[in-house]
Amino acid sequence: GAGVSQSPRYKVAKRGQDVALRCDPISGHVSLFWYQQALGQGPEFLTYFQNEAQLDKSGLPSDRFFAERPEGSVSTLKIQRTQQEDSAVYLCASSLLGISAQGVSGNTIYFGEGSWLTVV
Amino acid sequence: DAKTTQPNSMESNEEEPVHLPCNHSTISGTDYIHWYRQLPSQGPEYVIHGLTSNVNNRMASLAIAEDRKSSTLILHRATLRDAAVYYCIHDPEGDKLIFGTGTRLQVFP
Repeated sequence: GAGVSQSPRYKVAKRGQDVALRCDPISGHVSLFWYQQALGQGPEFLTYFQNEAQLDKSGLPSDRFFAERPEGSVSTLKIQRTQQEDSAVYLCASSLLGISAQGVSGNTIYFGEGSWLTVV
Repeated sequence: DAKTTQPNSMESNEEEPVHLPCNHSTISGTDYIHWYRQLPSQGPEYVIHGLTSNVNNRMASLAIAEDRKSSTLILHRATLRDAAVYYCIHDPEGDKLIFGTGTRLQVFP
């Protein structure tokens, strides 16, 4: 399809296990975002890429969280030594333009369906 | 952080118009107002956005107050498929959308 694709859709991890979540953004989209959504809450910003550059990682909750987008397309969010509080839906989103092109913008952001992580 | 205030929940009957309010008193002159919605078990979906003027698209209308401190998302005829959490957002930093807890809209047949 032409939308943002995420895998796996569902992941159950044992506490202490490392996980990797993949995001395929819409082809040609410059901007890529990761969000974390706990049950009953709105999505919370984690990090932002413009092409391969990670311009904002202010939302990453700890140094156990790491994101990369080495070729400016596919991105991976890695969580090391998972804890129960990491259980959440991890949402990836992309948009056509980078923030430098739009400034404070009306840029439309397209979300994937999310990767549901449960840490037991 | 940007702050918007929305009612926790609203109800509507099918085929009726729905007005979803949002207060954003800290908005600056260059911040767009965005509305997204999230259906159950899905990622958020773009609905509409605007800066100063009222906006219309095939999904909804956005009415922005003259002082820009509030806005209203208008669904002209609610359907069961419109049941979702609706988020009102403004993005002062331009590189992220800061979501609140949104308004949960229930639509009854």
